[in-house]
Amino acid sequence: NAGVMQNPRHLVRRRGQEARLRCSPMKGHSHVYWYRQLPEEGLKFMVYLQKENIIDESGMPKERFSAEFPKEGPSILRIQQVVRGDSAAYFCASSWDSTEAFFGQGTRLTVV
Amino acid sequence: GESVGLHLPTLSVQEGDNSIINCAYSNSASDYFIWYKQESGKGPQFIIDIRSNMDKRQGQRVTVLLNKTVKHLSLQIAATQPGDSAVYFCAENIGPTGGFKTIFGAGTRLFVKA
Repeated sequence: NAGVMQNPRHLVRRRGQEARLRCSPMKGHSHVYWYRQLPEEGLKFMVYLQKENIIDESGMPKERFSAEFPKEGPSILRIQQVVRGDSAAYFCASSWDSTEAFFGQGTRLTVV
Repeated sequence: GESVGLHLPTLSVQEGDNSIINCAYSNSASDYFIWYKQESGKGPQFIIDIRSNMDKRQGQRVTVLLNKTVKHLSLQIAATQPGDSAVYFCAENIGPTGGFKTIFGAGTRLFVKA
């Protein structure tokens, strides 16, 4: 059983471009969470999704950020018109029953 | 804002000694707590968890203590090894009242001296 898979591991985007981060949860897991981490800081909750539904997006900026978890395929975190302040590590986690969550290795986004 | 915080941002211990990492939380409705270990360049790794109906839980070389009276959580690592060097996060899951999301504290960096 493969763990949570995130890709790409590293992503470089110019200001104004779009960033698409992908997360494939562990097999059998229907709960997906996205977190953002700045260097030397903790993980900040962004959004919690179950299949095809956004359960809680209270941590996600209202503009430029969106997330989806379609019936088929990975969860996608999309950042439009990226700015330098979006540079961070973005972690995805999945769980079977909304308790113990397993994390991926993260996508490190650099905006230049 | 975050409801979970840590008393000590860094901790340095001698190899073989025991380590204690502390955490305070503020949401009395939290019913599930987790400790994660994060090594440089990697994602958080589950260490041990505890539910609010317990006050102690033991794993392999690790023990988590929960004091609901003072809203305090601690992680004890026995016979600390160089491989234990990492950042440790406590996290709380607020359950159905909080939307099941897991909130992380700021983290404590553990240095193990050989």
